[in-house]
Amino acid sequence: DAEITQSPRHKITETGRQVTLACHQTWNHNNMFWYRQDLGHGLRLIHYSYGVQDTNKGEVSDGYSVSRSNTEDLPLTLESAASSQTSVYFCASEQFSGSRRDEQYFGPGTRLTVT
Amino acid sequence: AQRVTQPEKLLSVFKGAPVELKCNYSYSGSPELFWYVQYSRQRLQLLLRHISRESIKGFTADLNKGETSFHLKKPFAQEEDSAMYYCALRGGADGLTFGKGTHLIIQP
Repeated sequence: DAEITQSPRHKITETGRQVTLACHQTWNHNNMFWYRQDLGHGLRLIHYSYGVQDTNKGEVSDGYSVSRSNTEDLPLTLESAASSQTSVYFCASEQFSGSRRDEQYFGPGTRLTVT
Repeated sequence: AQRVTQPEKLLSVFKGAPVELKCNYSYSGSPELFWYVQYSRQRLQLLLRHISRESIKGFTADLNKGETSFHLKKPFAQEEDSAMYYCALRGGADGLTFGKGTHLIIQP
């Protein structure tokens, strides 16, 4: 079955280290997204991509970067991890066909702790 | 700017009682509205979208453009409805804008 996966599921890192979270989808969806989920804030958009080589900043993009070298993957990189980036990170994907955007499907999440 | 407001952080009702989770939005154009649900330790999954106008697991939601609301309702709550519920809006070309979520607890 097609799906969307994230790895690792849990990560503990130190302040200042570079961290990369992986997101992989097998639906061949054009659009992919990264959100962070924090208590009291809900989910907030970090970055998104509408296709290979396309990346865009979301609401809370500072300190994060993404790259899209193929359709299936959108890795999220924290250039220099900070304690404020301790959060649960969700990847999502959706199909875009013509003028219609389908629902977003979410991955299982990655719990990141920065110490 | 687009915004989604869920005024209740926590809502506790008894099994069999009606449930209404409130959602108000702010957007200048014609938005798409969604309800997502997250059961304990699981990923978010779509519950409803306003354009499909269907009932899922007994839940319904009607988009009221005059009141800019998209409240989620269920006439008789069940214990398995306990979860986090997020209202979300898609207005422009980017991702979803989520509310802060409502934690629904169904008491036996």
